[in-house]
Amino acid sequence: EIVMTQSPATLSVSPGERVTLSCGASQTLDSHLAWYQQKPGQAPRLLIYDASTRATGVPARFSGSGSGTEFTLIISSLQSEDFAVYYCQQYNKWPPITFGQGTRLEIK
Amino acid sequence: QVQLVESGGGVVQPGESLRLSCKTSGFNFNDYNMHWVRQAPGKGLEWVASMRTDGYNVYYANSVKGRFTISTDTSKNTLYLQMNSLRGEDTAVFYCAKAADGSGFSQYCLDSWGQGTLVTVSS
Repeated sequence: EIVMTQSPATLSVSPGERVTLSCGASQTLDSHLAWYQQKPGQAPRLLIYDASTRATGVPARFSGSGSGTEFTLIISSLQSEDFAVYYCQQYNKWPPITFGQGTRLEIK
Repeated sequence: QVQLVESGGGVVQPGESLRLSCKTSGFNFNDYNMHWVRQAPGKGLEWVASMRTDGYNVYYANSVKGRFTISTDTSKNTLYLQMNSLRGEDTAVFYCAKAADGSGFSQYCLDSWGQGTLVTVSS
C-alpha cells in the first residue's frame, strides 16, 4: 500500500497570501496524483489531476506540480472561499487508492 | 450535468446490515468505474471499494473485505454497497464517486462525488 503524507496538518494564513501545500508518497507515483478540496459539510471536489492539470471550473490561482514522490499544491492568492481541507490522493497503484491525511487551511 | 445521489444510510446496531444506493445521471454509467469512499466523523477520506460497471475489476479495502459488497444495476444507473456485520468503526459518511476517465490510471481518480449518506453503528 502506498502511504501518502501531507504537510503541514494545519496552516494559518491570511487572505491574499500565497500558500504551498506538500504531499509525499512512499513509492513513486509518476504523475498519478490528485488534489481535492473539502469544505465543512460538503463532499470533496476534484481540483487537480495528473499532478498539474486543473479540473473543469477550477480557478487559475490553483496550481499543482511535482512527480515521483513529492508533490505541491499552490494557491497563488488565497480567497475567503479557499479556507477548507485539502487532500492528496494517489492512483498509480491500486488497490487500494490512498489519500493523505489532509491539510486544513484556517484564517489567521 | 453529472449527479450522484446517495441514500440508505441510518443508525444500526453492531452486527447488523445496511444497503447504500447511489443513483446517477448525466453521464454514460456503463463507461466509468464507480467508487465508494467513506469519512469517519472528524477524520480523513478512506477509499472503500470500486468496480467497473460491467462487474469486472472489483476491489475492496482490507478493512471491509468479506463484509461489504459493491454492485451495480446498469438498467437503473445505480451503484450499491451492501454492508454486513457492521462495526462501530464503520460509522462514517459514505460517498459514491465517479471515475475521471473510462480507462487508464484515471479510472481511479474521482471527478464527481455525491453529497454522502451517514451510517452510524451504535448499540
